[in-house]
This record gives sequence, structure tokens and C-alpha cells, in this order.
Amino acid sequence: NAGVMQNPRHLVRRRGQEARLRCSPMKGHSHVYWYRQLPEEGLKFMVYLQKENIIDESGMPKERFSAEFPKEGPSILRIQQVVRGDSAAYFCASSWGITGELFFGEGSRLTVL
Amino acid sequence: ELKVEQNPLFLSMQEGKNYTIYCNYSTTSDRLYWYRQDPGKSLESLFVLLSNGAVKQEGRLMASLDTKARLSTLHITAAVHDLSATYFCAVEGTETNNNDMRFGAGTRLTVKP
Repeated sequence: NAGVMQNPRHLVRRRGQEARLRCSPMKGHSHVYWYRQLPEEGLKFMVYLQKENIIDESGMPKERFSAEFPKEGPSILRIQQVVRGDSAAYFCASSWGITGELFFGEGSRLTVL
Repeated sequence: ELKVEQNPLFLSMQEGKNYTIYCNYSTTSDRLYWYRQDPGKSLESLFVLLSNGAVKQEGRLMASLDTKARLSTLHITAAVHDLSATYFCAVEGTETNNNDMRFGAGTRLTVKP
């Protein structure tokens, strides 16, 4: 049973470009969470999605950031017009239910030049 | 808003010594997690503490939860180099939903020979 899969593991973008990060949850999990980790800091909650629905996006910046979890395929975190401050590790986690144990992917490390 | 504070943020200790990491949180919660993160890696779940007075042990690590004091501790006994990592506590808010979970800033532990 594969764990949570994230790709790409490393992504380099220039300022103004777009970044797309993908997350495939564990088999049987329909709840996906995205977190951002800045260097030397803990994880900050961004968004919680179930299939085709955004449940809680209270931690996601209102501009340039969006997330989706389509009926088929992985969840995608999209950052438009990236800036240097977007450089961070972005972790995805999944669970079978809203109170089920979280399982984390290995993260996608975004560097904005 | 739920706030989670860990201390110390950095800890350097000699092999064979004992030490305790503290996790304080600001609102009522009955569910607390401890995770380990190695550099460049994802978060590995260590302990889930679900009730007041809960104590769990795995090898040289022991975690406890005092919900009245809003405090959890992670005690390290006779440290070895392999325990070097960053340790995070995470607390679910009163909704006990995953999207309410908030992370501490982490304790970076270095165990020296």
C-alpha cells in the first residue's frame, strides 16, 4: 500500500512563474490537507479538501494560491506568479476521515529565484 | 485561536543523557500528536495521546499528556545519536478535526557522542 505521494520533490521557479504541486493520497483516503513549512519553522495549515470540495481554506493566502482535489487524479496546489517568499516545503497529508490519523508525504520543496 | 508552543527550540545533548521537551497549548484539547522529522524528509508519527494522563513509550522516548495543564512532554532517556532529528508536537482544537490541528515550531535535537 503506497503512502502519500507528492511530486515534484523539488521545483525551481523564477519570480512570476507558476508552480503546481501534486499529491496522491493513500489508497482509501478521501481527505487531503496541505501544509507549508518555512525554514526552521513548524507546519502551517493551508487547506483541507475532500473529493471535489474545498472544506477549509482558512490558512491559504487569498491571492495567487488555489487548491483542488478532482474526482479523478491527484490533489493540486497551484501558486501563480510566485515570489521569493513562496520558497518553502509544501507537505500534503491524507486521512480516511476528518478525525483519522494523518499520513504525510515527503514534501515538495519550492525554490523561487 | 489555538497556539502551540514548544521548548526548547534547539537542544544539544550528549549520548547517554536524559532530557525533556515541552509542548504547551492554549485551548482545551484531548488529542495531541508527536512527530519526528529527519532533514529533508517527511513527518513520521511517533505518538498519539488521546486523554488526560495518557502515557506512551517507544524505545527511549516517552510521551505524556496533562490536559488540565495543557501540557505534553516528550522525555528522552539515555539519548543515542540516531535520535537526532526535529520533533514536533501537534494539537487538535476543540473541534477535534484534522483541519484544526496546529503544530509547534519544533525542537531540533542533536545528540553528540
